[in-house]
Amino acid sequence: ETGVTQTPRHLVMGMTNKKSLKCEQHLGHNAMYWYKQSAKKPLELMFVYNFKEQTENNSVPSRFSPECPNSSHLFLHLHTLQPEDSALYLCASSQDVRDSPLHFGNGTRLTVT
Amino acid sequence: AQTVTQSQPEMSVQEAETVTLSCTYDTSENNYYLFWYKQPPSRQMILVIRQEAYKQQNATENRFSVNFQKAAKSFSLKISDSQLGDTAMYFCAFTQYNNNDMRFGAGTRLTVKP
Repeated sequence: ETGVTQTPRHLVMGMTNKKSLKCEQHLGHNAMYWYKQSAKKPLELMFVYNFKEQTENNSVPSRFSPECPNSSHLFLHLHTLQPEDSALYLCASSQDVRDSPLHFGNGTRLTVT
Repeated sequence: AQTVTQSQPEMSVQEAETVTLSCTYDTSENNYYLFWYKQPPSRQMILVIRQEAYKQQNATENRFSVNFQKAAKSFSLKISDSQLGDTAMYFCAFTQYNNNDMRFGAGTRLTVKP
C-alpha cells in the first residue's frame, strides 16, 4: 500500500464542470506537492505546501486552485478547464522541503472533454 | 535554470542482461542531488536511487548503480541482471541543496524482454 493515496484514480469532466482531486499521505510528512505529467513531457511542478503554507506556485493558471487544510491532506480544485489540461496529476510528499526524497501517489488521470 | 535531458525515449533489454540509461543535466550549482525514479504501469513514481553531488563514490542499491560524472554533468543508471518487473518508465531528476523544486527529464521507457 502506498503511503500517499490519491482519489479518484480516473476523472472525466467537461470544460464547465467543477471537480476536486484529493491526496492524503500517511507518512507523517510536512511537505506536499502537486505535479502535472503530460505525455512525452517532463513532470511539471505546480504547487508546494510546507506545514500547510503554500511556498511555491509555478505560474499555474487560476483554474487550478490548491487547498491544504492540514499536513496530511492536499486538494486540487478544478474549474473551467481546457482540453490541454488533460494529464496525469501526481501528488507527492516529503519530510520537509529541503533535501528529502519525494514519495508519490498513483496519480489521477484527468480527461477534459 | 536547471534542465535534465534523457536522450533515450525507449530502450529494451533481455532478461538477466545489463542495461544503462543515460541522463545529463545542466546547472551552475555545485551542491545538489540527483535521482532516478521508476514509474511502472501502476503509475506510482518510486525512488530507485539517489546521489549527493558532493560524494565522489557512486551510489548503489542492489542491482541498480549509477555512474556520476560531475564534470561532465552526467548521471547514468545501470541495471544489472534485469528482471521483468524492471519494465517501466525511468525518470532522472535534479534538485538543488535546500530546495525540493525537483526537475525531471522526459523519461526513458524500458522494456525487459523474456
